[in-house]
Amino acid sequence: DVKVTQSSRYLVKRTGEKVFLECVQDMDHENMFWYRQDPGLGLRLIYFSYDVKMKEKGDIPEGYSVSREKKERFSLILESASTNQTSMYLCASRTMNTEAFFGQGTRLTVV
Amino acid sequence: QKEVEQNSGPLSVPEGAIASLNCTYSDRGSQSFFWYRQYSGKSPELIMSIYSNGDKEDGRFTAQLNKASQYVSLLIRDSQPSDSATYLCAGSGGSNYKLTFGKGTLLTVNP
Repeated sequence: DVKVTQSSRYLVKRTGEKVFLECVQDMDHENMFWYRQDPGLGLRLIYFSYDVKMKEKGDIPEGYSVSREKKERFSLILESASTNQTSMYLCASRTMNTEAFFGQGTRLTVV
Repeated sequence: QKEVEQNSGPLSVPEGAIASLNCTYSDRGSQSFFWYRQYSGKSPELIMSIYSNGDKEDGRFTAQLNKASQYVSLLIRDSQPSDSATYLCAGSGGSNYKLTFGKGTLLTVNP
């Protein structure tokens, strides 16, 4: 079975902190994604990566950056956390034309 | 912007009824479509994938795709209370790594 693992299930951070969310997949998928999910807004794509060291902005990249140094790992970075970044963050991976597999999600609270 | 739209819901059906969930998409290049189920506080899990026009059945679930009308649907027969969840429709283009999600439809099945 495909496994996508996010480093934390719950996180509480202070405003202004630099926050790292880690995601690891074990199925050699080329494509990895970071979404955030908020009530009424659905899943919104922050960034995605289609290869090592390659990345593209999604629909809401402002305030975020990403890193993909190895194929299995995709990190989301909040450069300076703000309260409006309190959300559920979901990592996913897929190969071309197949379904995406999701991690368990990280519920981030910025205080 | 390429979009996926779902009938907003929420949708409430009695136990044993058929639940019908609908989705339209704007990108005519989309080739792959997916239905996910998401329980509250959990990450999305795949219910059905569909790639060609017509119907695809899996147990109590039937996905329908009409590329001419840019329309995807999911029928749930003999609905059970355990089907109560948010259902997400997603689409992906042939040369596009991105998976675009609708905002979801909340389904409640009443015993």
